Amino acid sequence: VIWMTQSPSLLSASTGDRVTISCRMSQGISSYLAWYQQKPGKAPELLIYAASTLQSGVPSRFSGSGSGTDFTLTISCLQSEDFATYYCQQYYSFPRTFGQGTKVEIK
Amino acid sequence: EVQLVESGGGLIQPGGSLRLSCAASGFTVSSNYMSWVRQAPGKGLEWVSVIYSGGSTYYADSVKGRFTISRDNSKNTLYLQMNSLRAEDTAVYYCARGSSSYDYWGQGTLVTVSS
Repeated sequence: VIWMTQSPSLLSASTGDRVTISCRMSQGISSYLAWYQQKPGKAPELLIYAASTLQSGVPSRFSGSGSGTDFTLTISCLQSEDFATYYCQQYYSFPRTFGQGTKVEIK
Repeated sequence: EVQLVESGGGLIQPGGSLRLSCAASGFTVSSNYMSWVRQAPGKGLEWVSVIYSGGSTYYADSVKGRFTISRDNSKNTLYLQMNSLRAEDTAVYYCARGSSSYDYWGQGTLVTVSS
């Protein structure tokens, strides 16, 4: 099982801020990583796959980087609609695993 | 337009069985990898199972031997048969398209296992 450590678990920020979320793997996964956004009561939405490829329709203020064991999701200029919980997920091997989540709240 | 609609959730006693359905539109289930992901109340996401287009299936250890993923090609529908349910299976169950990353998700169906 590949374990994932996502940090921070809670991030307080203001509209316009640049924010970064980290995801660290217990072993290397090349670039087999995705990021999701989830709002309360809603299903997750895919933001990024293959560590850095933006899903169609996702605003360009979202970006992903990293490979191997360390990955980052960056939101360059936080908008009001970005306050949500974010999850990383590895698909290098089974079982697929998700990070614990990072809640981005209004400061 | 791609759409996934789950149904079949509800309140069930421990040890009971339930079958979840996920009706797809806008694409063909049998030509895609399809997965189930669950989320316990107030918790994170947990992968449950996947069925490949060729029919191969994989399960999380926590549900192996109790849950079965399947599909009905004529109905373009994905299923999750859940037996020997436990309190820890209480969650919102989502179906999702994909086996690696998941590009489309249903709205989820809540399964509550309680006496």
